[in-house]
Amino acid sequence: EVQLLESGGGLSQPGGSLRLSCAGSGFTFSSYSVSWVRQTPGKGLEWVSIISRDGLTSKYADSVRGRFTISRDNSKNTLYLQMNSLRAEDTAIYYCAIKSGGNYPFDNWGLGTLVTVSS
Amino acid sequence: EVVMTQSPATLSVSPGERATLSCRASQSVGSNLAWYQHKPGQAPRLLIYDTSTRATGIPARFSGSGSGTEFTLTISSLQSEDFALYYCQQYNNWPPLTFGGGTKVEIK
Repeated sequence: EVQLLESGGGLSQPGGSLRLSCAGSGFTFSSYSVSWVRQTPGKGLEWVSIISRDGLTSKYADSVRGRFTISRDNSKNTLYLQMNSLRAEDTAIYYCAIKSGGNYPFDNWGLGTLVTVSS
Repeated sequence: EVVMTQSPATLSVSPGERATLSCRASQSVGSNLAWYQHKPGQAPRLLIYDTSTRATGIPARFSGSGSGTEFTLTISSLQSEDFALYYCQQYNNWPPLTFGGGTKVEIK
């Protein structure tokens, strides 16, 4: 069974940092691109970032580019999101999701981890 | 950026009735359109991809149609477990990958 388990969420002050992790199991982690998608309170889903199977290529939403960094460790089946210079508008549930390739949907998602940015 | 617009925002339906959800793209996304179901506290679940292909394990009462800029998700006979949020998403022109604002299907 495919499982994705996010961790690392919590409370941060504006300008602070957090590092999220997403551990995958039940599938060949290195065979999938992996993404972060967030759900802001009362709003819908917003794509944040994606990283290629080999970790060499990454892309970001304009809203987080320059502040967030996505990375992965295929030996540990784990995805990361380093979030710096956090803002109140980054408050959201962050989900990791896997996709098989370029023009493919997200096959599976995790349960999410809540990030709250507040003073 | 491809803007996805879903309507209605909320759909009130009685169990056993048919539900029709709409999704419009600001430019053509071909057939690269997916639908997800999301319940509070759960992981979003892929229902439909490539406009009309049901994902593994998805019941036949869920169907998708459309092309280009206009898409529809139909739930033929709503079951109690179908009351949830539904999102469409395009994966044709990206980055960014973009989602619609969601349709909440609630019990009438």
